[in-house]
Amino acid sequence: DAGVTQSPTHLIKTRGQQVTLRCSPKSGHDTVSWYQQALGQGPQFIFQYYEEEERQRGNFPDRFSGHQFPNYSSELNVNALLLGDSALYLCASSFYVMKEQFFGPGTRLTVL
Amino acid sequence: GIQVEQSPPDLILQEGANSTLRCNFSDSVNNLQWFHQNPWGQLINLFYIPSGTKQNGRLSATTVATERYSLLYISSSQTTDSGVYFCAVGVREGNEKLTFGTGTRLTIIP
Repeated sequence: DAGVTQSPTHLIKTRGQQVTLRCSPKSGHDTVSWYQQALGQGPQFIFQYYEEEERQRGNFPDRFSGHQFPNYSSELNVNALLLGDSALYLCASSFYVMKEQFFGPGTRLTVL
Repeated sequence: GIQVEQSPPDLILQEGANSTLRCNFSDSVNNLQWFHQNPWGQLINLFYIPSGTKQNGRLSATTVATERYSLLYISSSQTTDSGVYFCAVGVREGNEKLTFGTGTRLTIIP
């Protein structure tokens, strides 16, 4: 049973560029949540997708957007990258009627 | 929003020692999870425990929901237990976002 997978593992971008991160949920899960973890801090909730719609959103600007596909996989897009967007981006999957979330290995984004 | 505090922030122990990590939260919760983040950043699920007590090998956890705290116990520590331990909570019914604490960094010395 494959767990949550994310790609790419690492990414280096420059200020102003755009980036797309990808996540495939655990088998049987239908909900994907994205979190940002800055160095030395706990993960912060960005948004959650269920049935291809954004269901909840944290305190992040509109530069952060996402998408969920019919196969439940998801993308996180960040436009106009800032130095402060450098972080570990974590994807979590769950079954909507349940609460327990399972996390992928993360994508480490560096903005220069 | 809900506040989640973890203590202690750092803990250094000799291999074989026991430890207790604490998580306090400021509101009623419907979800509480403990995670271990390894040096590569992977968050590993330890317990889903919104209330009650669970045990898994050398690890056990207790959540007293009425008093708004949870404890994670690690017995006979091993060097592979090193890393950051996070408590995360959700406050709504259904699939609520997780709010994380600031973590406890555990270092086990051989």
